[in-house]
Amino acid sequence: DAGVTQSPTHLIKTRGQQVTLRCSPISGHKSVSWYQQVLGQGPQFIFQYYEKEERGRGNFPDRFSARQFPNYSSELNVNALLLGDSALYLCASSLVGDRTGGYTFGSGTRLTVV
Amino acid sequence: GEDVEQSLFLSVREGDSSVINCTYTDSSSTYLYWYKQEPGAGLQLLTYIFSNMDMKQDQRLTVLLNKKDKHLSLRIADTQTGDSAIYFCAGSNDYKLSFGAGTTVTVRA
Repeated sequence: DAGVTQSPTHLIKTRGQQVTLRCSPISGHKSVSWYQQVLGQGPQFIFQYYEKEERGRGNFPDRFSARQFPNYSSELNVNALLLGDSALYLCASSLVGDRTGGYTFGSGTRLTVV
Repeated sequence: GEDVEQSLFLSVREGDSSVINCTYTDSSSTYLYWYKQEPGAGLQLLTYIFSNMDMKQDQRLTVLLNKKDKHLSLRIADTQTGDSAIYFCAGSNDYKLSFGAGTTVTVRA
């Protein structure tokens, strides 16, 4: 069974541009979360979506947005990129209500803003 | 929100036990997790403990939870070179995980 898949794996963008990152959850998982991991730090929560609805949002500016599709895959969009947006963006999927399984993470998308 | 603190570095000899410590502030966390991250990779769930438990053992891994002191630890028995990685503890509420900064474990021969 495939795990959480993210695309692309690496991306280089210029300041001011916009980027879209994609995530496919584990089959049967209906919840997708996004995290930002800056080098040398722990992941920081950005969004969680469940059944296409936003359940929670972290302390990130409105330049960050996301959505979830009927097949439970998700996209994270970041507008007006800043150098400080350079990070590893991690997607995690989970069975809502099944916290014992934890959140299964993908390998991430490494975004570099130049 | 939750603050989670961890010691940043740990060096251990191969075959010895490793103990990684974590403290958290949010007593409402229902689950506490340990994740492992190898270079260039995502996060791998190692184990978890429910907040009403004191200890959980899973093969070479032992998790201890002191709710009074809000202290969590992960013990890795018989540490191997493949255990070299960054280890994160995380607390959960309904919809998010709050991570510490991670402990870099280096296993030396």
